[in-house]
Amino acid sequence: GQQVMQIPQYQHVQEGEDFTTYCNSSTTLSNIQWYKQRPGGHPVFLIQLVKSGEVKKQKRLTFQFGEAKKNSSLHITATQTTDVGTYFCAGPTGTASKLTFGTGTRLQVTL
Amino acid sequence: DAGITQSPRHKVTETGTPVTLRCHQTENHRYMYWYRQDPGHGLRLIHYSYGVKDTDKGEVSDGYSVSRSKTEDFLLTLESATSSQTSVYFCAINRDYGYTFGSGTRLTVV
Repeated sequence: GQQVMQIPQYQHVQEGEDFTTYCNSSTTLSNIQWYKQRPGGHPVFLIQLVKSGEVKKQKRLTFQFGEAKKNSSLHITATQTTDVGTYFCAGPTGTASKLTFGTGTRLQVTL
Repeated sequence: DAGITQSPRHKVTETGTPVTLRCHQTENHRYMYWYRQDPGHGLRLIHYSYGVKDTDKGEVSDGYSVSRSKTEDFLLTLESATSSQTSVYFCAINRDYGYTFGSGTRLTVV
């Protein structure tokens, strides 16, 4: 079945440093979604990318969808302690709007 | 998130006992999902529903059953809980702009 992998699994940065997580799917995706989960919380939808090569920005977060629609990345510029959490990518699979989630990247930010 | 609630939030149960987790939505969404989250595995789909009395299996459905007798309620049952089912369980609904998750149920099987 479809597999969605993310790297790295964990990253620890100092506040102000940049951070990037990468997402790779075993199959071509019609779209890709990104979610953030704060420690002890539930995943929260951030964004959806649909077009090949699409780039979207949300303040310090930049999301990219690869040209082949099999990979994606999330880049955070000048991290803040509020960015702490686990970031998941997810791609549609099969019917009923099901999603397959990546394994997630846990981000730790220290002062 | 407003519109989707899970109960209970925490539960400790003994091996071999049945357990039912409840997911309730107030927005009449057709699709509902149950995921479990474990370290190193991310979120894995257990079962999903595409309408009242219409359900199907996900990738990790063994040992679980579901029911959806009303649009607003999606129940997940562990017929005979095992220690491997200790996990955090999330329910989700599909909105046009992505999934909205409930706050989760932390289940411990001892």
